[in-house]
Amino acid sequence: QVQLQESGPGLVKPSGTLSLTCAVSGGSISSSNWWSWIRQPPGKGLEWIGEIYHSGSTNYNPSLKSRVTISVDKSKNQFSLKLSSVTAADTAVYYCAREYYDSSGGLFDYWGQGTLVTVSS
Amino acid sequence: QSVLTQPPSVSGAPGQRVTISCTGSSSNIGAGYDVHWYQQLPGTAPKLLIYGNSNRPSGVPDRFSGSKSGTSASLAITGLQAEDEADYYCQSYDSSLSGSRYVFGTGTKVTVL
Repeated sequence: QVQLQESGPGLVKPSGTLSLTCAVSGGSISSSNWWSWIRQPPGKGLEWIGEIYHSGSTNYNPSLKSRVTISVDKSKNQFSLKLSSVTAADTAVYYCAREYYDSSGGLFDYWGQGTLVTVSS
Repeated sequence: QSVLTQPPSVSGAPGQRVTISCTGSSSNIGAGYDVHWYQQLPGTAPKLLIYGNSNRPSGVPDRFSGSKSGTSASLAITGLQAEDEADYYCQSYDSSLSGSRYVFGTGTKVTVL
């Protein structure tokens, strides 16, 4: 059973950088899966942020691309998210998730519990 | 930034049947990409409920069913139970070069009366 666990600061100052890590257990990050970050502002819907493959290949949501960096650490079986120049609009619960991708598209079959990040001074 | 449209809310009495629609476009559902559904109980992470338009992961009750036609998809819950009260999201892949690779629905809150 794959498990994902997000960790990182719960409070970030405006204009600062949000940094989160997702630890994967029960499976290898080097498997044939992509790994994603998804966020959900309080009381709102889900927004896909971006994804990474164990090779280091990434894809980002164009709306966030200029501010997002996702990286992978295979030795620690984890991947990370950095979001720069944050504002209050970036306040959200951030989830990491495993993707299952095939020719019909992709889905998210395992999710972390989520971590609330608040942007405030 | 949701690209898939869902009704904000649906409700029904215990035992009734409710349906949730998910409307997309020619770059996602209409392009032939699969639709998946997630259930989000209050205060928890989304959970995969239906995959590949109409398939249930192990452990999901058969009162949940999904379908897809054209640029839309639907989730049906038959024999509604109190524990089904949650938010439901559809999701698909999008081939638009200017948009997000993965898109979610706007979300639907199911209330059991």
